[in-house]
Amino acid sequence: DAKTTQPTSMDCAEGRAANLPCNHSTISGNEYVYWYRQIHSQGPQYIIHGLKNNETNEMASLIITEDRKSSTLILPHATLRDTAVYYCIVRLHLSGNTGKLIFGQGTTLQVKP
Amino acid sequence: EPEVTQTPSHQVTQMGQEVILRCVPISNHLYFYWYRQILGQKVEFLVSFYNNEISEKSEIFDDQFSVERPDGSNFTLKIRSTKLEDSAMYFCASRDRPYSNQPQHFGDGTRLSIL
Repeated sequence: DAKTTQPTSMDCAEGRAANLPCNHSTISGNEYVYWYRQIHSQGPQYIIHGLKNNETNEMASLIITEDRKSSTLILPHATLRDTAVYYCIVRLHLSGNTGKLIFGQGTTLQVKP
Repeated sequence: EPEVTQTPSHQVTQMGQEVILRCVPISNHLYFYWYRQILGQKVEFLVSFYNNEISEKSEIFDDQFSVERPDGSNFTLKIRSTKLEDSAMYFCASRDRPYSNQPQHFGDGTRLSIL
């Protein structure tokens, strides 16, 4: 699975959009980009995923560059409850692949009042 | 919304004792996982399980560890003889089926403390 690079930490003002970048320059054509977050020591919470098109759901938007080498997770109106560690993970979908997730250190997002 | 549930939320055990961590995956899911997170460290993959057998395991998952799906709903992780270094959060996850791009969903974990 391709490796990802994320900034260690970011701050965001409450009510503003939080834009979390992720670099995955070695991504292959069969690999999806997944975003999870972890609040305190709770279990990782799924946010969104995509292959090459931009995606949006009730939690966030995912923007993937045309060359797929990077992506940005957007939380449109961050709240204090969005303070968490955000993980960008690339995962294969080939026959025989178990789909395990390889977590990095992620980005610690601090939403400030 | 369906969710993965784990019990107990906190388990305290003496070193050398056996411990069983329990998970109820999402009901129509077929692929199951265990991960662990030592305090202050990354979430680490332990094992994946499909069709009543282990499909992949990490180097961490040695002979002291075993997994089982004893019935149609539970998925368990057993540590035979616990060590101090087994103290960690243990997370169970599940997803619908192989070769699917659908995400894994995680439980809120069991905090295992070895004394």
